[in-house]
Amino acid sequence: SQQGEEDPQALSIQEGENATMNCSYKTSINNLQWYRQNSGRGLVHLILIRSNEREKHSGRLRVTLDTSKKSSSLLITASRAADTASYFCATVDTGNNRLAFGKGNQVVVIP
Amino acid sequence: DTGVSQDPRHKITKRGQNVTFRCDPISEHNRLYWYRQTLGQGPEFLTYFQNEAQLEKSRLLSDRFSAERPKGSFSTLEIQRTEQGDSAMYLCASSLDREGNQPQHFGDGTRLSIL
Repeated sequence: SQQGEEDPQALSIQEGENATMNCSYKTSINNLQWYRQNSGRGLVHLILIRSNEREKHSGRLRVTLDTSKKSSSLLITASRAADTASYFCATVDTGNNRLAFGKGNQVVVIP
Repeated sequence: DTGVSQDPRHKITKRGQNVTFRCDPISEHNRLYWYRQTLGQGPEFLTYFQNEAQLEKSRLLSDRFSAERPKGSFSTLEIQRTEQGDSAMYLCASSLDREGNQPQHFGDGTRLSIL
């Protein structure tokens, strides 16, 4: 079943701008992960944040997690045309091992 | 670096036929997952293995679906008597899970089209 709800679902920005996506979920989680998917390809893992963490950075990515609001955000700074992709949040619930994905955000970065 | 590979990349078949997909995970990964993704949606969990043991199956996995991982390495997913609703991308992922907090590494999927 689908878990996360990403917001906005489609985003179009100019190269160099920042892109922010939000994700909400409903259950008690072990961790939350963000993935990127280019058209027709598999998913690429970007970043994992554990339930006891509040913020994490990886290169141009910044992820926050608010377990009280059951929400997460992904910020991509200084976007590039190559960042054009679909971005999914996925949760791993406490007590199981499956990833529960949202519907994804489509991000288009205009050169 | 040898990632997760899936074969075939595309499969077109007529309704009612059986199809089988193969997934080769990253060699040292003990966990292997199957997901299904339809257009405009996120992947949906189907089943997962730890080594050769199938530990969890989704309710999406009807009795027409069967998955195996006989030696704890590659896995196969078979769909019998295919239906048009089976058209989707079938994704395989693997992970090395010691603490339950490891990312999953995905293959590029098998796109199934049922005529």
